[in-house]
Amino acid sequence: DIQLTQSPSFLSASVGDRVTITCRASRGISNYLAWYQQKPGKVPQLLIYAASTLRSGVPSRFAGSGSGTEFTLTISSLQPEDSAAYYCQQVNSFPPTFGPGTKVDVK
Amino acid sequence: EVHLVESGGGLVQPGGSLRLSCEASEFTFSDYWMSWVRQAPGKGLELVANIRHDGNEKYYVDSVKGRFTISRDNARNSLYLQMNSLRAEDTAVYFCSRMQRDGYNDYWGQGTLVTVSS
Repeated sequence: DIQLTQSPSFLSASVGDRVTITCRASRGISNYLAWYQQKPGKVPQLLIYAASTLRSGVPSRFAGSGSGTEFTLTISSLQPEDSAAYYCQQVNSFPPTFGPGTKVDVK
Repeated sequence: EVHLVESGGGLVQPGGSLRLSCEASEFTFSDYWMSWVRQAPGKGLELVANIRHDGNEKYYVDSVKGRFTISRDNARNSLYLQMNSLRAEDTAVYFCSRMQRDGYNDYWGQGTLVTVSS
């Protein structure tokens, strides 16, 4: 199975800050990567798929990039409602696997 | 809007069984792979099982193989997870989720809590 790591595991930033989360795969997965947001007590929501395609309705301050083994999720201007856990998921090979998550706290 | 509603969770003793159900609506259920994904308290997401749109292909994470069975009834727009020989480490919220053709989970139910404890 392909393993995913995320860094950092936790970050705290202020409203308006630019934040970046990194996801690394144990082997190349082309662009078969998604990002999910899960707010406390809520259901995971798909934000980005195919590494950089923003799902309809997701604010444009979210952006994904990368291919192969290294990927990033960037929030260009952090908002209070972005306080959540963020998970990457690879779907290049079965089984799909999730990263361990990054918790984002908005000061 | 796609709607997924899980049921069947609860408190069960180690070694016991539970059957989770997920009722789907507002999309053509028989066109999609479906997933069960779980989240232990304070932990991340873990795919438990997937099933092909026609039910003829199934995948299980190693930790549940031989104990859990995923199934579906396309006539009833329903997904199931039969869980036997439950262990404390199976304690989690279990989410039903629709899988897109390329593997992403685009819609999720609200989840049902399974607690395995004596």
